[in-house]
Amino acid sequence: SQQGEEDPQALSIQEGENATMNCSYKTSINNLQWYRQNSGRGLVHLILIRSNEREKHSGRLRVTLDTSKKSSSLLITASRAADTASYFCAPISNFGNEKLTFGTGTRLTIIP
Amino acid sequence: ETGVTQTPRHLVMGMTNKKSLKCEQHLGHNAMYWYKQSAKKPLELMFVYNFKEQTENNSVPSRFSPECPNSSHLFLHLHTLQPEDSALYLCASSQGTSGTYNEQFFGPGTRLTVL
Repeated sequence: SQQGEEDPQALSIQEGENATMNCSYKTSINNLQWYRQNSGRGLVHLILIRSNEREKHSGRLRVTLDTSKKSSSLLITASRAADTASYFCAPISNFGNEKLTFGTGTRLTIIP
Repeated sequence: ETGVTQTPRHLVMGMTNKKSLKCEQHLGHNAMYWYKQSAKKPLELMFVYNFKEQTENNSVPSRFSPECPNSSHLFLHLHTLQPEDSALYLCASSQGTSGTYNEQFFGPGTRLTVL
């Protein structure tokens, strides 16, 4: 299994602004998943993007994937206070029975 | 609601106690997981069960004993824990364990404090 590395470690923006966080990984993937965790709670699955996809949308979320650069980005548009959370990426390799391995995430704070 | 429930939500226990954490999923998934999240550390995978069979034990001390009686239920039995075992314990489930079937749904977690 491989661990994604999120960047930046922390991000603070004003409510209404867009937030962008990045994920880098090392080896080829089958898919890459983004999760959100509110403080002290379980993780919530946000988006899964397959290796043959370049962009995917879900509401105010937009995920891009560049397999040549082994990187992904998560864009949250028109941020809200409720978006304050930690965000994690989990790259899933092409091998079977892949474990999700989480990094330390990006801590996003939305300032009202 | 993710379809994965965990009980209890909070647990305080002494080092000599025996307790169990319970996880139940209502999603018809075949795989279930236990994770540990300590303060300021990445999420650590502890155990994986697929079709009730344990497929992963990530070098977890024997004072943690998992049990998976069926694909919908997962337990974590705790015995003679140490204060450093205090953490948030998260359960997750997924349809399978490979490729896009590995999209995981997490429960709310059990906050464990060992005195």
